[in-house]
Amino acid sequence: DQQVKQNSPSLSVQEGRISILNCDYTNSMFDYFLWYKKYPAEGPTFLISISSIKDKNEDGRFTVFLNKSAKHLSLHIVPSQPGDSAVYFCAASALGSGGGADGLTFGKGTHLIIQP
Amino acid sequence: EPEVTQTPSHQVTQMGQEVILRCVPISNHLYFYWYRQILGQKVEFLVSFYNNEISEKSEIFDDQFSVERPDGSNFTLKIRSTKLEDSAMYFCASSEEGLALSGANVLTFGAGSRLTVL
Repeated sequence: DQQVKQNSPSLSVQEGRISILNCDYTNSMFDYFLWYKKYPAEGPTFLISISSIKDKNEDGRFTVFLNKSAKHLSLHIVPSQPGDSAVYFCAASALGSGGGADGLTFGKGTHLIIQP
Repeated sequence: EPEVTQTPSHQVTQMGQEVILRCVPISNHLYFYWYRQILGQKVEFLVSFYNNEISEKSEIFDDQFSVERPDGSNFTLKIRSTKLEDSAMYFCASSEEGLALSGANVLTFGAGSRLTVL
Protein backbone atom coordinates (compact mmCIF):
# COMPACT_ATOMS: atom_id res chain seq x y z
CA ASP A 1 0.00 0.00 0.00
CA GLN A 2 1.84 3.04 -1.30
CA GLN A 3 0.48 5.92 0.70
CA VAL A 4 3.10 8.29 -0.69
CA LYS A 5 3.90 8.01 -4.36
CA GLN A 6 6.68 9.51 -6.40
CA ASN A 7 5.93 8.30 -9.89
CA SER A 8 9.11 9.55 -11.54
CA PRO A 9 12.11 7.42 -10.61
CA SER A 10 14.41 9.92 -12.29
CA LEU A 11 14.41 13.42 -13.72
CA SER A 12 17.04 15.13 -15.79
CA VAL A 13 17.20 18.95 -15.87
CA GLN A 14 19.66 21.40 -17.34
CA GLU A 15 21.66 23.58 -15.01
CA GLY A 16 19.95 26.91 -14.44
CA ARG A 17 16.47 25.63 -15.33
CA ILE A 18 13.66 24.77 -12.95
CA SER A 19 13.41 21.29 -11.46
CA ILE A 20 9.93 20.13 -10.48
CA LEU A 21 9.58 17.01 -8.41
CA ASN A 22 6.11 15.61 -7.81
CA CYS A 23 4.55 13.60 -5.02
CA ASP A 24 1.05 12.23 -4.52
CA TYR A 25 -0.46 10.80 -1.38
CA THR A 26 -3.55 8.79 -0.58
CA ASN A 27 -3.90 9.05 3.18
CA SER A 28 -6.12 12.02 4.00
CA MET A 29 -4.86 11.93 7.59
CA PHE A 30 -1.47 13.22 6.51
CA ASP A 31 -1.09 16.79 7.66
CA TYR A 32 2.59 17.50 7.38
CA PHE A 33 4.84 16.94 4.42
CA LEU A 34 8.59 17.01 4.14
CA TRP A 35 11.19 16.72 1.42
CA TYR A 36 14.48 15.01 2.14
CA LYS A 37 17.51 14.95 -0.09
CA LYS A 38 19.88 12.00 -0.18
CA TYR A 39 23.37 11.78 -1.61
CA PRO A 40 25.02 8.37 -2.19
CA ALA A 41 26.49 6.84 0.97
CA GLU A 42 24.73 9.40 3.16
CA GLY A 43 21.49 9.43 5.10
CA PRO A 44 18.52 11.55 4.04
CA THR A 45 18.83 15.22 5.01
CA PHE A 46 15.91 17.51 5.60
CA LEU A 47 15.27 20.06 2.88
CA ILE A 48 11.92 21.77 3.32
CA SER A 49 8.49 21.06 4.78
CA ILE A 50 4.92 22.27 4.62
CA SER A 51 1.95 22.04 6.92
CA SER A 52 -1.44 21.11 5.52
CA ILE A 53 -2.80 24.50 6.57
CA LYS A 54 -0.57 26.14 3.95
CA ASP A 55 -0.36 25.77 0.21
CA LYS A 56 3.14 27.11 -0.30
CA ASN A 57 6.40 27.33 1.56
CA GLU A 58 9.54 28.90 0.20
CA ASP A 59 13.15 28.69 1.33
CA GLY A 60 15.70 30.22 -0.99
CA ARG A 61 15.78 28.27 -4.25
CA PHE A 62 13.35 25.69 -2.91
CA THR A 63 9.57 26.02 -2.91
CA VAL A 64 7.07 23.37 -1.94
CA PHE A 65 3.47 23.58 -3.15
CA LEU A 66 0.62 21.64 -1.62
CA ASN A 67 -2.71 20.94 -3.30
CA LYS A 68 -4.81 19.24 -0.65
CA SER A 69 -7.82 18.65 -2.82
CA ALA A 70 -5.66 16.79 -5.32
CA LYS A 71 -3.53 15.20 -2.59
CA HIS A 72 -0.50 16.41 -4.48
CA LEU A 73 2.63 18.27 -3.59
CA SER A 74 5.59 19.40 -5.61
CA LEU A 75 9.08 20.67 -4.96
CA HIS A 76 10.43 23.39 -7.21
CA ILE A 77 14.12 24.11 -7.39
CA VAL A 78 15.11 27.22 -9.30
CA PRO A 79 17.66 27.73 -10.59
CA SER A 80 18.92 24.15 -10.55
CA GLN A 81 22.58 23.68 -9.70
CA PRO A 82 24.93 20.70 -10.16
CA GLY A 83 24.99 20.14 -6.38
CA ASP A 84 21.26 19.52 -6.48
CA SER A 85 21.87 16.17 -8.15
CA ALA A 86 20.60 13.69 -5.57
CA VAL A 87 17.66 11.47 -4.72
CA TYR A 88 14.72 13.44 -3.36
CA PHE A 89 12.26 11.76 -1.03
CA CYS A 90 8.81 13.04 -0.29
CA ALA A 91 7.64 12.12 3.22
CA ALA A 92 4.44 12.61 5.17
CA SER A 93 3.29 12.39 8.73
CA ALA A 94 -0.10 12.24 10.42
CA LEU A 95 -0.27 14.19 13.65
CA GLY A 96 -1.98 12.34 16.44
CA SER A 97 -3.60 9.75 14.22
CA GLY A 98 -2.16 6.77 16.04
CA GLY A 99 -0.86 3.70 14.27
CA GLY A 100 2.45 4.88 12.94
CA ALA A 101 2.02 8.50 13.93
CA ASP A 102 5.59 8.54 15.07
CA GLY A 103 6.89 7.39 11.75
CA LEU A 104 7.35 9.23 8.53
CA THR A 105 5.95 7.56 5.43
CA PHE A 106 8.34 7.98 2.54
CA GLY A 107 7.91 7.82 -1.19
CA LYS A 108 10.33 5.77 -3.29
CA GLY A 109 12.32 8.82 -4.28
CA THR A 110 13.16 10.64 -7.49
CA HIS A 111 16.73 10.75 -8.71
CA LEU A 112 17.35 14.29 -9.93
CA ILE A 113 20.21 14.72 -12.37
CA ILE A 114 21.35 18.25 -13.16
CA GLN A 115 23.13 18.41 -16.48
CA PRO A 116 25.73 21.12 -17.14
CA GLU B 1 26.90 20.71 13.05
CA PRO B 2 25.58 17.91 15.28
CA GLU B 3 25.16 14.61 13.54
CA VAL B 4 23.86 11.11 14.07
CA THR B 5 26.60 8.51 13.80
CA GLN B 6 26.08 4.87 12.95
CA THR B 7 28.35 1.83 13.17
CA PRO B 8 29.22 -0.34 11.40
CA SER B 9 28.92 1.24 7.99
CA HIS B 10 28.68 -2.22 6.44
CA GLN B 11 28.13 -5.63 8.00
CA VAL B 12 28.05 -8.98 6.27
CA THR B 13 26.51 -11.86 8.20
CA GLN B 14 25.27 -15.39 7.71
CA MET B 15 21.57 -16.14 7.77
CA GLY B 16 20.43 -16.98 11.28
CA GLN B 17 23.10 -14.92 13.00
CA GLU B 18 22.40 -12.10 15.40
CA VAL B 19 23.30 -8.58 14.37
CA ILE B 20 23.52 -5.41 16.42
CA LEU B 21 23.55 -2.05 14.69
CA ARG B 22 24.64 0.91 16.75
CA CYS B 23 23.71 4.55 16.66
CA VAL B 24 24.73 7.63 18.58
CA PRO B 25 21.89 10.16 18.29
CA ILE B 26 22.32 13.90 18.67
CA SER B 27 22.92 14.57 22.34
CA ASN B 28 19.95 16.82 23.14
CA HIS B 29 17.46 14.80 21.12
CA LEU B 30 14.86 12.81 22.98
CA TYR B 31 13.26 10.70 20.24
CA PHE B 32 15.01 7.99 18.31
CA TYR B 33 14.03 6.05 15.23
CA TRP B 34 15.14 3.23 12.99
CA TYR B 35 14.23 3.14 9.33
CA ARG B 36 15.39 0.77 6.63
CA GLN B 37 15.71 0.92 2.87
CA ILE B 38 15.86 -2.27 0.86
CA LEU B 39 17.82 -1.71 -2.33
CA GLY B 40 15.66 0.01 -4.92
CA GLN B 41 12.75 0.48 -2.57
CA LYS B 42 11.46 3.25 -0.34
CA VAL B 43 12.68 4.18 3.10
CA GLU B 44 10.44 2.37 5.62
CA PHE B 45 9.71 3.19 9.23
CA LEU B 46 10.63 0.45 11.71
CA VAL B 47 10.35 1.84 15.22
CA SER B 48 10.42 4.96 17.36
CA PHE B 49 11.73 5.14 20.90
CA TYR B 50 11.20 7.64 23.68
CA ASN B 51 11.80 7.65 27.41
CA ASN B 52 13.40 4.23 27.31
CA GLU B 53 10.54 2.48 25.63
CA ILE B 54 9.13 1.85 22.19
CA SER B 55 6.72 4.59 21.20
CA GLU B 56 5.53 3.16 17.91
CA LYS B 57 6.49 0.29 15.64
CA SER B 58 5.58 -0.86 12.16
CA GLU B 59 4.49 -4.27 10.93
CA ILE B 60 8.06 -4.89 9.82
CA PHE B 61 9.30 -4.65 13.40
CA ASP B 62 8.41 -8.18 14.50
CA ASP B 63 9.75 -10.31 17.36
CA GLN B 64 13.09 -10.71 15.60
CA PHE B 65 13.82 -7.04 16.16
CA SER B 66 14.55 -5.21 19.38
CA VAL B 67 15.88 -1.81 20.32
CA GLU B 68 17.73 -0.65 23.35
CA ARG B 69 19.34 2.40 24.81
CA PRO B 70 21.96 0.69 26.96
CA ASP B 71 23.58 3.90 28.16
CA GLY B 72 23.12 7.63 27.82
CA SER B 73 24.46 7.85 24.32
CA ASN B 74 23.92 4.68 22.28
CA PHE B 75 20.75 3.45 20.63
CA THR B 76 20.92 -0.05 19.20
CA LEU B 77 18.90 -2.20 16.84
CA LYS B 78 19.23 -5.95 17.29
CA ILE B 79 18.09 -8.54 14.79
CA ARG B 80 18.06 -11.88 16.58
CA SER B 81 18.14 -14.32 13.69
CA THR B 82 18.79 -12.62 10.40
CA LYS B 83 16.99 -13.60 7.22
CA LEU B 84 18.00 -12.95 3.63
CA GLU B 85 15.24 -10.36 3.34
CA ASP B 86 16.76 -8.35 6.20
CA SER B 87 19.47 -7.21 3.79
CA ALA B 88 19.01 -3.46 3.59
CA MET B 89 20.42 -0.10 4.57
CA TYR B 90 19.37 0.69 8.11
CA PHE B 91 19.08 4.35 9.05
CA CYS B 92 19.00 5.65 12.58
CA ALA B 93 17.42 9.06 13.16
CA SER B 94 16.76 11.33 16.10
CA SER B 95 14.62 14.38 16.80
CA GLU B 96 14.03 16.89 19.55
CA GLU B 97 10.32 16.15 19.64
CA GLY B 98 8.21 13.23 18.54
CA LEU B 99 6.25 13.45 15.32
CA ALA B 100 3.09 12.64 17.22
CA LEU B 101 3.58 15.82 19.19
CA SER B 102 4.49 18.05 16.34
CA GLY B 103 4.31 17.16 12.71
CA ALA B 104 6.72 20.01 12.17
CA ASN B 105 9.50 18.03 13.72
CA VAL B 106 12.47 17.25 11.57
CA LEU B 107 14.41 14.02 11.79
CA THR B 108 18.18 14.01 11.52
CA PHE B 109 19.37 10.82 9.90
CA GLY B 110 22.65 8.99 10.19
CA ALA B 111 24.58 7.82 7.14
CA GLY B 112 23.22 4.32 7.50
CA SER B 113 24.49 0.81 8.15
CA ARG B 114 24.39 -1.55 5.21
CA LEU B 115 23.47 -5.07 6.27
CA THR B 116 24.13 -7.93 3.89
CA VAL B 117 22.75 -11.33 4.88
CA LEU B 118 24.20 -14.30 3.01
